[in-house]
Amino acid sequence: KAGVTQTPRYLIKTRGQQVTLSCSPISGHRSVSWYQQTPGQGLQFLFEYFSETQRNKGNFPGRFSGRQFSNSRSEMNVSTLELGDSALYLCASSLGGSLGAKNIQYFGAGTRLSVL
Amino acid sequence: DQQVKQNSPSLSVQEGRISILNCDYTNSMFDYFLWYKKYPAEGPTFLISISSIKDKNEDGRFTVFLNKSAKHLSLHIVPSQPGDSAVYFCAAPVNAGGTSYGKLTFGQGTILTVHP
Repeated sequence: KAGVTQTPRYLIKTRGQQVTLSCSPISGHRSVSWYQQTPGQGLQFLFEYFSETQRNKGNFPGRFSGRQFSNSRSEMNVSTLELGDSALYLCASSLGGSLGAKNIQYFGAGTRLSVL
Repeated sequence: DQQVKQNSPSLSVQEGRISILNCDYTNSMFDYFLWYKKYPAEGPTFLISISSIKDKNEDGRFTVFLNKSAKHLSLHIVPSQPGDSAVYFCAAPVNAGGTSYGKLTFGQGTILTVHP
């Protein structure tokens, strides 16, 4: 079974631009969550999508948005990029119920975004 | 608000010895905990988990212990191998209204180095 796939693996953008990251979940998984990892803040939750609906959201500005398609693939968009948006963006998929013993998140390799 | 804390940024161990990674949490509502391992340039990989109804869970060389009264959990790796060298994160699902949709809160991570 294929794992979680994130594209692209690396991106370089300049301030003010926008960027779109893509995530394909494990087959059969309907929930996709996004996280930002930075050296100073660690792993921070951005949002979660299930059946094309955002069910949960972290404390990030509105410049960070996402969507999910009917095949469960998800995209994350960051508009008006700032230097502080440089980070590793991770996507995780799960079956979609409440996280716990029967529902574990599995992560992709991430997209490394550098904002110059 | 760091609800899950890993107070040791790094740990160095000799091959064959035991590695003990620690994690403390503040939220008494947490009822499930996970450990992930992360290699450079890869996403976190699920390692082992434990429900709050248990105080121990074992999987091969990996054992997680939970002390609810102390709000403390630990991951034991016996025997440690050089391939175990990675960053280890503890995490817990964050419940909102009795459900946890896609949101894990992570500790800051501990860098484990196993020397041959």
